[in-house]
Amino acid sequence: ILNVEQSPQSLHVQEGDSTNFTCSFPSSNFYALHWYRWETAKSPEALFVMTLNGDEKKKGRISATLNTKEGYSYLYIKGSQPEDSATYLCAFYMNRDDKIIFGKGTRLHILP
Amino acid sequence: DGGITQSPKYLFRKEGQNVTLSCEQNLNHDAMYWYRQDPGQGLRLIYYSQIVNDFQKGDIAEGYSVSREKKESFPLTVTSAQKNPTAFYLCATLGHRSNQPQHFGDGTRLSIL
Repeated sequence: ILNVEQSPQSLHVQEGDSTNFTCSFPSSNFYALHWYRWETAKSPEALFVMTLNGDEKKKGRISATLNTKEGYSYLYIKGSQPEDSATYLCAFYMNRDDKIIFGKGTRLHILP
Repeated sequence: DGGITQSPKYLFRKEGQNVTLSCEQNLNHDAMYWYRQDPGQGLRLIYYSQIVNDFQKGDIAEGYSVSREKKESFPLTVTSAQKNPTAFYLCATLGHRSNQPQHFGDGTRLSIL
């Protein structure tokens, strides 16, 4: 079983503060790394699809970086807002047969 | 609207009973996936299918079965061999391989009576 690790498992951040968390994945057979935001009672929503080593992507206050050689990606949230409260999932897409493996997620709680 | 429809939203299973969860898509995506979510476990891959009439086991396929007779449909059967079926089940699709994320249905919550 491939290991996709996310840390921390849970995070409490004061509103207005910035934060980041990590996704670690196997560095071999890499095809893509996906980030999703999953709010309670909704479907996971895609944030980023990252394919190249050194990729940096940004969407509003959220950005992500990718290091395929060492097998990690960081997700950054600048100036956290209450609507950022969600579980953030990363998914490792193998360069083989469309197999996509998720990490357990980072549960982010924004404190007012 | 283009999307993925999972049904039912809630499902109850009796001991020894097989139940089937439906997943239909009109996105014209080739690949379809079934994931299971338990508290603290994230999404675990049960089965996936890259093309009609073909599918592969994921990491937790035991006690489950699937079929892919049509591109639009990928039903998941939870058999009586699955001893701990209570979970939230998500169906997903994937279009062209590069640069595309997965699309997800709204999920089915399965409970044991």
